Amino acid sequence: AQKITQTQPGMFVQEKEAVTLDCTYDTSDQSYGLFWYKQPSSGEMIFLIYQGSYDEQNATEGRYSLNFQKARKSANLVISASQLGDSAMYFCAMREDVGYNQGGKLIFGQGTELSVKP
Amino acid sequence: EAGVAQSPRYKIIEKRQSVAFWCNPISGHATLYWYQQILGQGPKLLIQFQNNGVVDDSQLPKDRFSAERLKGVDSTLKIQPAKLEDSAVYLCASRVPGGLREANVLTFGAGSRLTVL
Repeated sequence: AQKITQTQPGMFVQEKEAVTLDCTYDTSDQSYGLFWYKQPSSGEMIFLIYQGSYDEQNATEGRYSLNFQKARKSANLVISASQLGDSAMYFCAMREDVGYNQGGKLIFGQGTELSVKP
Repeated sequence: EAGVAQSPRYKIIEKRQSVAFWCNPISGHATLYWYQQILGQGPKLLIQFQNNGVVDDSQLPKDRFSAERLKGVDSTLKIQPAKLEDSAVYLCASRVPGGLREANVLTFGAGSRLTVL
C-alpha cells in the first residue's frame, strides 16, 4: 500500500536562508508522481512542484526544488531564500499510475508547519 | 482561468443535522475529487469522479456521506446525519483528464469548513 511520511511536524528557518522539508514514500508501483503542496492559514492547497518517477532530473520551480532520491524513496522539498510569506503548512503527496487517464488517488503526508523568522 | 469554486466556506450545525457542500471544478476538468481534512492532518480522499462516474469511493462513509456529479460538471457532497467527528474542512479538487504531465496536478478549491456541535 502506498504511504507518505513527513517526520518534521514543525520547522523554523531564518528569512533569506534555505530550508529542507523531508518526505519519504512507499510504493510498489513503478510509475508514480510526487507532489508538494503549500497550505497557508487561509486553507487553500497551492501546488508547488511535481516529480515523476521516470524523470531523470530533479524538478525545480523558481525557489522550490525537489531532491528526488529514488533508491532511498525520498522526495525532499528545498526552499531557497526563504520569505516571510513562505510560513505555512507543507504537504508531500504521491499518486500512483501517473500517465494513465484515471490513475491512482493522491495521498498526502501529515504535513510540516514551516515558520519563517524575520 | 477561474479556479475551483466551493460553497459554503463555513457551516456550523448540530449533530444529527444534515449539510451539503457544492463544488464547481475548472472548466474542462473531467476528474473531480472530494477530500476531508481534519485539523492537524493531511487531506484524505473521500470520493473521485471521472465525468459523472465514480472511480473510487472506498473511503467514503456511505452510511452517512453521499456525493453526486449528475451532469459531469459540478458536484455535491452531503452528510446526513452529521457526527461530531465530521468536523473538518472539505476540499474539492479537479484536474484535466489524460496521461500528460500537466494532467497529474490537482487544483484545489478554498474548502468548506464544517463545525459539528
